[in-house]
Amino acid sequence: SVLTQPPSVSGAPGQRVTISCTGNSSNLGAGYDVHWYQHLPGTAPKLLIYGNDKWPSAVPNRFSGSKSGTSASLAITGLQAEDEGDYYCQSYDNSLGVSRIFGGGTKLTVL
Amino acid sequence: QEQLQQWGAGLLKPSETLSLTCAVHGGSLKDYYWSWIRQTPDKGLEWIGEINHSGSTKNNPSLKSRVTMSVDTSKNHVSLRLTAVTAADTAVYFCARVLTYDYEWGSYIRTTFFFDLWGQGTPVTVAS
Repeated sequence: SVLTQPPSVSGAPGQRVTISCTGNSSNLGAGYDVHWYQHLPGTAPKLLIYGNDKWPSAVPNRFSGSKSGTSASLAITGLQAEDEGDYYCQSYDNSLGVSRIFGGGTKLTVL
Repeated sequence: QEQLQQWGAGLLKPSETLSLTCAVHGGSLKDYYWSWIRQTPDKGLEWIGEINHSGSTKNNPSLKSRVTMSVDTSKNHVSLRLTAVTAADTAVYFCARVLTYDYEWGSYIRTTFFFDLWGQGTPVTVAS
């Protein structure tokens, strides 16, 4: 994937975890915003964060996003069992024909 | 509440054509682009392409030669056809609504695209 995410992260209930998303000078480094999605087993993916750090309605502020240069992060505080699932970052790339790009996804395990 | 409902054949043989439909409930096709995205264990999420209510399309170049997208505004549907499927096309296919906005970055204007509403996904397996 053009955007690089760690394959997995884990944390105990109540803890804080972060998921990184690393791009390059054609996407995140070129000023394109990053967006984050949560995909829980058996459900449709859900927009979690858009525009680097903005919450869609109904998304709890336990989830937060940030971006700096060619990297972005999703932080989850107060980890809950129902947070277990896959998380994807997404952005735009101006050097590829496939302009809408995703990270490879990170599997979050709640211990 | 807006929802996307998808359907289509879930088991195909190599060389057959994948055909999926996505219905928009509680909202209109107009004013948006509608994307098709697939998920595989190997590649994660992959953008296939998108279409708006007037039939204008944008495509992933790696799939463009095999992809046809269409829109039926009377039924509030968008559809995807992928020809000559192989095992590599085995995936869960999603439709999703595209949101976009412009913003300033230094002296540049950037446009961003993201997906705020997703269908439930349609698993498609290609096997002989």
